[in-house]
Amino acid sequence: QLVQSGAEVKKPGASVKVSCKASGYTFSTYDISWVRQAPGQGLEWMGWIRNYNGNTNYAQKFQGRVTMTTDSSTSTAYMELTNLRSDDTAVYFCARVFVSLCDYWGQGTLVTVSS
Amino acid sequence: DIQMTQSPSSLSASVGDRVTITCRASQGIANYLAWYQQKPGKVPKLLIYTASTLQSGVPSRFSGSGFGTDFTLTISSLQPEDVATYYCQKYNSAPWTFGQGTKVEIK
Repeated sequence: QLVQSGAEVKKPGASVKVSCKASGYTFSTYDISWVRQAPGQGLEWMGWIRNYNGNTNYAQKFQGRVTMTTDSSTSTAYMELTNLRSDDTAVYFCARVFVSLCDYWGQGTLVTVSS
Repeated sequence: DIQMTQSPSSLSASVGDRVTITCRASQGIANYLAWYQQKPGKVPKLLIYTASTLQSGVPSRFSGSGFGTDFTLTISSLQPEDVATYYCQKYNSAPWTFGQGTKVEIK
């Protein structure tokens, strides 16, 4: 099970940090990916973090603005997005990664960017 | 980056109909292709991986095929609970790009 933090409202230019707490499996054994979905739109892959060594791979679109981390002591993954714009308004999902597949998903976190 | 293009973008079919969705990659991805189902207001669910392998618990009316650049998702007999948007995703290498989605409705 992946349980994400609650909805956020941010102003343009601010940052947001979404958490994703894992339970029911050995956290360190699987990687975590982040996917977002703007209102009424499709799924957009943001990147993934390898849990065993912390290596990350970000979609080029988010390079320089996104940071993905994990905390194995609390089995929690984090995704921070900076310099928010109105078009960052979306539901952000974390997903457990098994051989590059997103096999379990968090419930999603709505991030609204509005002045 | 490799682009993933799905067609059609939406379709409407009757219960019991055979439904086919296609996904085309701009470059070859072998069989590193997954399909996800997202029901309205719900979280995406992994349906098929390696182009044709059903995830555990997925009904057998779903099937996938293809290799290289052209892939299909088939629902052999459409059921009311299959109303959803279906996404393909490549995962041979990052970025793990999704297709734009195909919305399936009941006629």
